[in-house]
Amino acid sequence: DSGVTQTPKHLITATGQRVTLRCSPRSGDLSVYWYQQSLDQGLQFLIQYYNGEERAKGNILERFSAQQFPDLHSELNLSSLELGDSALYFCASSDVAGHTEAFFGQGTRLTVV
Amino acid sequence: GESVGLHLPTLSVQEGDNSIINCAYSNSASDYFIWYKQESGKGPQFIIDIRSNMDKRQGQRVTVLLNKTVKHLSLQIAATQPGDSAVYFCAENSGNTGKLIFGQGTTLQVKP
Repeated sequence: DSGVTQTPKHLITATGQRVTLRCSPRSGDLSVYWYQQSLDQGLQFLIQYYNGEERAKGNILERFSAQQFPDLHSELNLSSLELGDSALYFCASSDVAGHTEAFFGQGTRLTVV
Repeated sequence: GESVGLHLPTLSVQEGDNSIINCAYSNSASDYFIWYKQESGKGPQFIIDIRSNMDKRQGQRVTVLLNKTVKHLSLQIAATQPGDSAVYFCAENSGNTGKLIFGQGTTLQVKP
């Protein structure tokens, strides 16, 4: 158990809908990361927050947004969902902003039908 | 663009043998590297890391080698066990963020 908690574990939704994925980092970790894992793209970095502020951004679609709250948990919002958004979404956390291992949660499997 | 790639998509080894998983990276500015193991249905699990000021680092049954001249990273697993069967990813990091660029992954199959 990495200490990173993600909910829900599975999510099935229709195209055009909006969903919110939730992540609780390890106790004491200030950095939260979101990654997307699909069969054809592998693990892709989406976004990083550090202590409530956006720290780094990857190729995150404009339909996707994230935030980190004062209690350090994070949410990833996916809107206007398309079939191609079906993937595993992982949250990871680390104690500092960079150059350190990140601990991953078990992921949320999103299926868009 | 940035990319980290693996030479072999699948590696099959006999239990007890040593395994070597290779990885090439393209960003010469990367200065921190990590190996992750991902078992089916689970998130990536940290194995070992190495900074660019080192060329070798050892852990328990694992060794990571870094060759910055040819931008190559390898993970060696000694006395491979069935529990080592998983997908292994290398990842690179540069700058002052935690953004990791992952390779495509290598599947390690351990035959009993």
